[in-house]
Amino acid sequence: QVQLVQSGAEVKKPGASVKVSCKASGYTFTGYYMHWVRQAPGQGLEWMGWINPNSGGTNYEQNFQGRVTMTRDMSITTAYMELSRLRSDDTAVYYCARVGSPWLVDGPFDYWGQGTLVTVSS
Amino acid sequence: EIVLTQSPGTLSLSPGERATLSCRASQSVSSSYLAWYQQKPGQAPRLLIYGASSRATGIPDSFSGSGSGTDFTLTISRLEPEDFAVYYCQQYGSSPRTFGPGTKVDIK
Repeated sequence: QVQLVQSGAEVKKPGASVKVSCKASGYTFTGYYMHWVRQAPGQGLEWMGWINPNSGGTNYEQNFQGRVTMTRDMSITTAYMELSRLRSDDTAVYYCARVGSPWLVDGPFDYWGQGTLVTVSS
Repeated sequence: EIVLTQSPGTLSLSPGERATLSCRASQSVSSSYLAWYQQKPGQAPRLLIYGASSRATGIPDSFSGSGSGTDFTLTISRLEPEDFAVYYCQQYGSSPRTFGPGTKVDIK
């Protein structure tokens, strides 16, 4: 069965960086685009960007350009999202989410990780 | 950027009642690339509907989606206790992908 298992909660100081991992299993990792979405406490969902696990190609939402880096390690079927120069308003739960159709960059997100809470506080 | 507006913000209903949720887009959503998700407290979102009207795997037929262009609707024909949650619409036809602010369905 498809599973996306994310790394544990993080507490960071303003200005630091955080790297969240998303371990995929139960399907062909390189065949499905992975997106990242975040949710601030009590707020809605905010799309951050995607990575093509096959090629490593990425596309980031403009608001995160220059601060976010999405990578993957095919050998361990894991995707990563690193956010730098953290601010207090980056406090949120970060989710990885798989596009439901193979080889398509766009599509509904059929599987989600359990979420990783990143708290930014001095 | 396509802005999605959901209404109402909160829907207070009793089990067994029908729920009708609206999602309106600021411009036409291409190819009806519109999805609905359900989210319960402390959980990740769960895909319910994609392509505006297709149910995801394992979703009961009490959930249905309709609409095209800029106006979309999620209908829950008969609310079960487990259906009380927050519902988000999302468009995935153009970048950036955007979500609506959500509709909370709570128990009256």
